[in-house]
Amino acid sequence: KQEVTQIPAALSVPEGENLVLNCSFTDSAIYNLQWFRQDPGKGLTSLLLIQSSQREQTSGRLNASLDKSSGRSTLYIAASQPGDSATYLCAVSRDNYGQNFVFGPGTRLSVLP
Amino acid sequence: DAGVTQSPTHLIKTRGQHVTLRCSPISGHKSVSWYQQVLGQGPQFIFQYYEKEERGRGNFPDRFSARQFPNYSSELNVNALLLGDSALYLCASSLRDEKLFFGSGTQLSVL
Repeated sequence: KQEVTQIPAALSVPEGENLVLNCSFTDSAIYNLQWFRQDPGKGLTSLLLIQSSQREQTSGRLNASLDKSSGRSTLYIAASQPGDSATYLCAVSRDNYGQNFVFGPGTRLSVLP
Repeated sequence: DAGVTQSPTHLIKTRGQHVTLRCSPISGHKSVSWYQQVLGQGPQFIFQYYEKEERGRGNFPDRFSARQFPNYSSELNVNALLLGDSALYLCASSLRDEKLFFGSGTQLSVL
């Protein structure tokens, strides 16, 4: 059974810092991995999608890496801003239909002005 | 373009009742999935439908059912509601195996 964990559970940083969020999964037989952002009481917004054959993806100040063999992914946020404050979740898909995702519990990020 | 829309946004029911949640995917998206998110946890997969066929089912009891219509909208039905069914129910759509696009969810409270 696939299990996804995220460390740390919560993180508070001053504005402008670079930071790394970690995601681990127990079964390396994944199809792809996505990082999401969730604001309180809202739905999820997809940030980055990494296919199992890829090593990393970049979008603006965000960079996500994937090491499938070790069951790890990291999300790097450069020059953090207060607007980045949210919960960040990673999720791995188990099949090529692409929507059967197993989610981690999330990391709650606070960026202080 | 409209995103994924869900209705209602909030719902209050009592134990034993039945509930129907609705979802309209992004235009052109043929795949719809449903997730349950309990406060403080990540979403849990309930169902996926692609081209009106069930393509996946999570570890949920038979009280949970869903269907997809010819216009690709979807309904999630939950019978015999329990207190533990209180959660945020999220619908997501995508073009097969690309990024998931989520709606804002339906907050269900069971009293």
